[in-house]
Amino acid sequence: NAGVMQNPRHLVRRRGQEARLRCSPMKGHSHVYWYRQLPEEGLKFMVYLQKENIIDESGMPKERFSAEFPKEGPSILRIQQVVRGDSAAYFCASSPGVRQETQYFGPGTRLLVL
Amino acid sequence: AQKITQTQPGMFVQEKEAVTLDCTYDTSDPSYGLFWYKQPSSGEMIFLIYQGSYDQQNATEGRYSLNFQKARKSANLVISASQLGDSAMYFCAMREAYSSNTGKLIFGQGTTLQVKP
Repeated sequence: NAGVMQNPRHLVRRRGQEARLRCSPMKGHSHVYWYRQLPEEGLKFMVYLQKENIIDESGMPKERFSAEFPKEGPSILRIQQVVRGDSAAYFCASSPGVRQETQYFGPGTRLLVL
Repeated sequence: AQKITQTQPGMFVQEKEAVTLDCTYDTSDPSYGLFWYKQPSSGEMIFLIYQGSYDQQNATEGRYSLNFQKARKSANLVISASQLGDSAMYFCAMREAYSSNTGKLIFGQGTTLQVKP
């Protein structure tokens, strides 16, 4: 049973470009969370999605960031017009439910903005 | 106010000894869950152990146990018989059942553990 998959593992972008981060949850999991980890810090919640729905985006920056989890295919975190401050590790986690279920994390995508 | 506090930025332990990593939390929810994750130098986040606020007994998973003291709002991780492979960053996290019914995790700043041979 494959775990949570994220790609790419490493992504380099120049300022102003777009970054697309993909997350495939574990089989049977319909809940996806995105977290961001800045250097030397803990993870910070960004957004929570179920299939075709954004449930909680309270941790998402107001501009340039968007997320989706379509009916078919992986969840996508999209960052438009990246800036150096976007350099971080972005983790996706999935769970089969919401209240009592453990979240299992993917390996993360390390984004470096030059 | 910090919801999750890990006061030890770095810890050392001798191989084969036990070590306790501290975590205190702050919530007014009657129902919540506490988690510990391990992040080795390779960067992935590995789930270690979970404690529910209504669980009567402390959680254990192999060499990991959670010393849950509800009145003191602490959820310390105890690693017994440390191994070199335990060297990593350890994060305490909380999920509130009512303040946030979406299940999002709130993480502490982490503790770096180094196991000495």
